Amino acid sequence: GAGVSQSPRYKVAKRGQDVALRCDPISGHVSLFWYQQALGQGPEFLTYFQNEAQLDKSGLPSDRFFAERPEGSVSTLKIQRTQQEDSAVYLCASSPRDRGYQPQHFGDGTRLSIL
Amino acid sequence: AQSVTQPDIHITVSEGASLELRCNYSYGATPYLFWYVQSPGQGLQLLLKYFSGDTLVQGIKGFEAEFKRSQSSFNLRKPSVHWSDAAEYFCAVGSTDSWGKLQFGAGTQVVVTP
Repeated sequence: GAGVSQSPRYKVAKRGQDVALRCDPISGHVSLFWYQQALGQGPEFLTYFQNEAQLDKSGLPSDRFFAERPEGSVSTLKIQRTQQEDSAVYLCASSPRDRGYQPQHFGDGTRLSIL
Repeated sequence: AQSVTQPDIHITVSEGASLELRCNYSYGATPYLFWYVQSPGQGLQLLLKYFSGDTLVQGIKGFEAEFKRSQSSFNLRKPSVHWSDAAEYFCAVGSTDSWGKLQFGAGTQVVVTP
């Protein structure tokens, strides 16, 4: 399909392990967002990319969280030394423009469980 | 501080009855407003959006929402719900002074009974 694709859909890791979550945005979309959705909550903003530039990372909870989008398309969210409070669904969204408002298209998310 | 409030955590409605979901926001800049729906295990699907202009906006699946600036509200409505409308609904707000990041409410879970 032509939507936002996230992988893996489910990830189980032991506390202390590093994990990497992948997002394939819609082709040609300039803007890419990561959100964290805890159980029973709304999504919370983590970080924003405009092409390959990370313009806002104010929502990253700690320096254990790192995101990149080196070629301006696929993005990876990495969490180092995972902790139980990192358990959540991680959503990626993309939109076609870099200014003005365009609705964001969301992927189905990666459900991360830290044991 | 900026905030988005969905006062109803859970709503139960009979199939065929009308539905209204409340959303209130507090934003310093001109807000852009959205309603998204999320089915279990799925991502968020956009129902409708308000950027400017007519304050009554129509969306997909028969939903509509009305922007009331004086009340800082953007309530979602549907005249007659279907069993397939059972899901979680999120109100989201963005502003002109951000890169487009959205602030979401906590969501309203809608249960549809026969």
